[in-house]
Amino acid sequence: GESVGLHLPTLSVQEGDNSIINCAYSNSASDYFIWYKQESGKGPQFIIDIRSNMDKRQGQRVTVLLNKTVKHLSLQIAATQPGDSAVYFCAENRPAGQNFVFGPGTRLSVLP
Amino acid sequence: DAGVTQSPTHLIKTRGQQVTLRCSPKSGHDTVSWYQQALGQGPQFIFQYYEEEERQRGNFPDRFSGHQFPNYSSELNVNALLLGDSALYLCASSTPHRGGNEKLFFGSGTQLSVL
Repeated sequence: GESVGLHLPTLSVQEGDNSIINCAYSNSASDYFIWYKQESGKGPQFIIDIRSNMDKRQGQRVTVLLNKTVKHLSLQIAATQPGDSAVYFCAENRPAGQNFVFGPGTRLSVLP
Repeated sequence: DAGVTQSPTHLIKTRGQQVTLRCSPKSGHDTVSWYQQALGQGPQFIFQYYEEEERQRGNFPDRFSGHQFPNYSSELNVNALLLGDSALYLCASSTPHRGGNEKLFFGSGTQLSVL
């Protein structure tokens, strides 16, 4: 079936290092993607989005890369901070779609 | 500017009971989506409401129903609760559908426990 998945369920990084969280999607028709951050006891928080006509998009300390050839999405976090510790989800939206398909999430732990 | 608000934050029910969860969308948003998030998993789409009608539905049984009011707020109802319905229920709002790109803004959710 169609799904959005993540390569690594957990990721531990040293404070100050860069983090890379990966996501694979299976529907080549998906045209819009969002990365969400979810802290314990809270709802998903929007981080950054990218459309299928783009390969890269940058925000504050975050960069999303989209490789449509291999259907792969990644989130890069520069100078990872303790406040970045959370579960990160990628979500895909299909053309004229009314809903998002979420992956299972990656837990990011920032070590002091 | 208030974000998406949900009530209650926590709820405990027993099997067979019925529950109603409530959501107020972010100011300026008219579309409300509901998601179920089981422990350790990503959110799963239940349904979406726009102009007081269900616009799309995910793979959930008819025990799950909803409603949207003229002020865009929404309710999620679950009948004949099962133990497996225990989850975090998330409400998300968005602006009118434009070209398929709808940025979802989520509330903090209602944690439902079915005993």
